[in-house]
Amino acid sequence: AQSVAQPEDQVNVAEGNPLTVKCTYSVSGNPYLFWYVQYPNRGLQFLLKYITGDNLVKGSYGFEAEFNKSQTSFHLKKPSALVSDSALYFCAVRDGTRGGSQGNLIFGKGTKLSVKP
Amino acid sequence: ETGVTQTPRHLVMGMTNKKSLKCEQHLGHNAMYWYKQSAKKPLELMFVYSLEERVENNSVPSRFSPECPNSSHLFLHLHTLQPEDSALYLCASSLRVAPGVSSGNTIYFGEGSWLTVV
Repeated sequence: AQSVAQPEDQVNVAEGNPLTVKCTYSVSGNPYLFWYVQYPNRGLQFLLKYITGDNLVKGSYGFEAEFNKSQTSFHLKKPSALVSDSALYFCAVRDGTRGGSQGNLIFGKGTKLSVKP
Repeated sequence: ETGVTQTPRHLVMGMTNKKSLKCEQHLGHNAMYWYKQSAKKPLELMFVYSLEERVENNSVPSRFSPECPNSSHLFLHLHTLQPEDSALYLCASSLRVAPGVSSGNTIYFGEGSWLTVV
């Protein structure tokens, strides 16, 4: 069965410092990995994804994530955090070799990012 | 603007009421989804529709009744709900359901409908 874990409920960062939001996954086939962001009282917005190719994926708002197959991780990073980055971040995984319900996107429980001035 | 529009954004209903949530996508997608987001719980997939046909129902109580009249519209009909059903209900769409290597498998979400059952 596929699963995704976000080990930190909350990450606190000072503005201007680099940030990392961690995600690890477990799938039996090829992982398709996604990051979404949810601002207060809003829906989920797609940030970036890894399907195949370059392990470093660049996305919206200056975010990037690195796919690490040996560590089964897909951590979200940004070189310099902004106060406006404060939000809830969700990692999600899908098994790219499966169809139907076996290929559904599985979401982590979310990590709250707080960036202080 | 994500291309997925949900109405109403906020709904308060009594346990004996009947109401509906509406979702419309302007992305030309073939698959639509309902998710439930409750406080301190993971995002729960409720229903999946592909080309107006329901392809998944994740053991959702019958007091939630989805309807997909065409590939652009999705409804969630609500009746005799319980207070524990209060949550953010998110509609989403994607190009298709089956996984593949194309970018069409990104799921795009609406802004959500906040439901409070009193």
